[in-house]
Amino acid sequence: GQSLEQPSEVTAVEGAIVQINCTYQTSGFYGLSWYQQHDGGAPTFLSYNALDGLEETGRFSSFLSRSDSYGYLLLQELQMKDSASYFCAVRHRDDKIIFGKGTRLHILP
Amino acid sequence: NAGVTQTPKFQVLKTGQSMTLQCAQDMNHNSMYWYRQDPGMGLRLIYYSASEGTTDKGEVPNGYNVSRLNKREFSLRLESAAPSQTSVYFCASSGLANTEAFFGQGTRLTVV
Repeated sequence: GQSLEQPSEVTAVEGAIVQINCTYQTSGFYGLSWYQQHDGGAPTFLSYNALDGLEETGRFSSFLSRSDSYGYLLLQELQMKDSASYFCAVRHRDDKIIFGKGTRLHILP
Repeated sequence: NAGVTQTPKFQVLKTGQSMTLQCAQDMNHNSMYWYRQDPGMGLRLIYYSASEGTTDKGEVPNGYNVSRLNKREFSLRLESAAPSQTSVYFCASSGLANTEAFFGQGTRLTVV
């Protein structure tokens, strides 16, 4: 089947760096995406990796290794507003988009 | 641009009642999606439509039907609502294969 595994919760300190991992058991997909969702809000797109390697967008970076079926989202210089849930997702070649169960990020002052 | 618009935002149904959730996008996207979100379960795909005139089942299609009315609109119907369908429903749309998905603001549905 198709599945993406993420830790359910991660806690980090304001100003620090945190990494959220995503492992997947699927194939035939275009790439790995990351979304952010604040409580009561809708998911919003953060980053996309079509190829292996690191993609950087400001304080956020994302990494993909297809050979290891693994990716991660790296958040630097954490701010309190980064407290949210983060989802990895894959888009398959039939256009189906499947999400992981999400990682809730708690940030301590 | 309005992006993806869902209606209604909130709804309470009695068990056995039917309703249709409406979704429209103004970004000329080919692909549209319906998800449900429950605590601890992430976003689960109910149905999707890769193009106008086509629909396909996702991960949790039972109890739902969909219609891709035209390129802009993708509706989700509950024929006989059950308490297990209490959830937050999100509609999303996306363009080419390697682009992001845009989400509506969600519909909070309670079935009593």
